[in-house]
Amino acid sequence: GQQLNQSPQSMFIQEGEDVSMNCTSSSIFNTWLWYKQDPGEGPVLLIALYKAGELTSNGRLTAQFGITRKDSFLNISASIPSDVGIYFCAGQAPGAQKLVFGQGTRLTINP
Amino acid sequence: DTEVTQTPKHLVMGMTNKKSLKCEQHMGHRAMYWYKQKAKKPPELMFVYSYEKLSINESVPSRFSPECPNSSLLNLHLHALQPEDSALYLCASSQEGAGSLQPQHFGDGTRLSIL
Repeated sequence: GQQLNQSPQSMFIQEGEDVSMNCTSSSIFNTWLWYKQDPGEGPVLLIALYKAGELTSNGRLTAQFGITRKDSFLNISASIPSDVGIYFCAGQAPGAQKLVFGQGTRLTINP
Repeated sequence: DTEVTQTPKHLVMGMTNKKSLKCEQHMGHRAMYWYKQKAKKPPELMFVYSYEKLSINESVPSRFSPECPNSSLLNLHLHALQPEDSALYLCASSQEGAGSLQPQHFGDGTRLSIL
């Protein structure tokens, strides 16, 4: 089945630093989604991308849908303590009913 | 606060018990999903309902039985579960049918522990 390679698996950064993570796939997707999950809660949608090349921001978060439709990245600028959590990318292939998830990036911030 | 509501938040049950997980959304979404999530792993799809009909069963054991009574409700009936079934069970919903490109919105899950 389809797989998404999400990297890095974990990040340890200082507060105020910028963060970048990405997902790549061997096949194309029509939709890329980025979620954040805090302990004891469900994933929360951060950004949804629907067109190749699309660049979308949500506050300090910016995500892009790769031109090849096989990758996406998420950037977080000027990280703050509440950014701590696990970030998942997810893609939906053409005609598919289900999402394919990356393995997650665990973000830890040192104050 | 999530717009997909799941109850109960926590459930502890023995292997011989029968229990049900409930999920409710009032966003008018026509696709609903059940996922299982183990610690530090991404959600794994179990079932998809599209317009109240089961459209995907990801080869889930029959001890898990989904039900969609109406477009706002999704249940997961549990019977004779095994310890390895302990996990966070997440419900999600999306607009239109499950094949559309609309994103899925998740509830906060039910933390299930099997004794």
